[in-house]
Amino acid sequence: NAGVTQTPKFQVLKTGQSMTLQCAQDMNHNSMYWYRQDPGMGLRLIYYSASEGTTDKGEVPNGYNVSRLNKREFSLRLESAAPSQTSVYFCASSTPRLAGGRNTGELFFGEGSRLTVL
Amino acid sequence: AQSVTQPDIHITVSEGASLELRCNYSYGATPYLFWYVQSPGQGLQLLLKYFSGDTLVQGIKGFEAEFKRSQSSFNLRKPSVHWSDAAEYFCAVGASFGNEKLTFGTGTRLTIIP
Repeated sequence: NAGVTQTPKFQVLKTGQSMTLQCAQDMNHNSMYWYRQDPGMGLRLIYYSASEGTTDKGEVPNGYNVSRLNKREFSLRLESAAPSQTSVYFCASSTPRLAGGRNTGELFFGEGSRLTVL
Repeated sequence: AQSVTQPDIHITVSEGASLELRCNYSYGATPYLFWYVQSPGQGLQLLLKYFSGDTLVQGIKGFEAEFKRSQSSFNLRKPSVHWSDAAEYFCAVGASFGNEKLTFGTGTRLTIIP
């Protein structure tokens, strides 16, 4: 039972290089998210996808692009990496919030991807 | 837009002592509230959640939290901490309608001393 799987777990880039973080979930969730975690700042939402084929900006989208490839996969791309993008990136997916039900949009997280930009 | 404040950056507690981690939120209606725990090098794990009903909610690992609307708070408590509780704890708030994205606090790092 894998849950949310992120790759790679670690990556070192030089300024200006590009890369894509991959995320896949096997829980049949509609919504998926990318957060970044920085010391003293908690988790900040970069982008999210409420369903296959839709994406929306979060709190800190600049410098990133996303693709919701299908229901399972949600990738995050850095086109031209900058040192300010050094961070730990978390992918998450969520259960739907059902009217009158007990599903409350709980997030399930991957183990994170630690990115260093030199 | 919703927001969350965790006023304590770092708390140190002796093993076996009680614990309370503070969380204050800002949201115009009844929010969905969550506590997550993150062990070093790991992702976040849900401890407990509140969305309606009984304002005292029980979670995993012996944790509980109480929703107090009048104080806009959702403090996390544990009567007796164990060394394995050392971790970072995040409070999060979600809107009670619309999409399910959460806003997280900045976290409280918990250190346990023998």
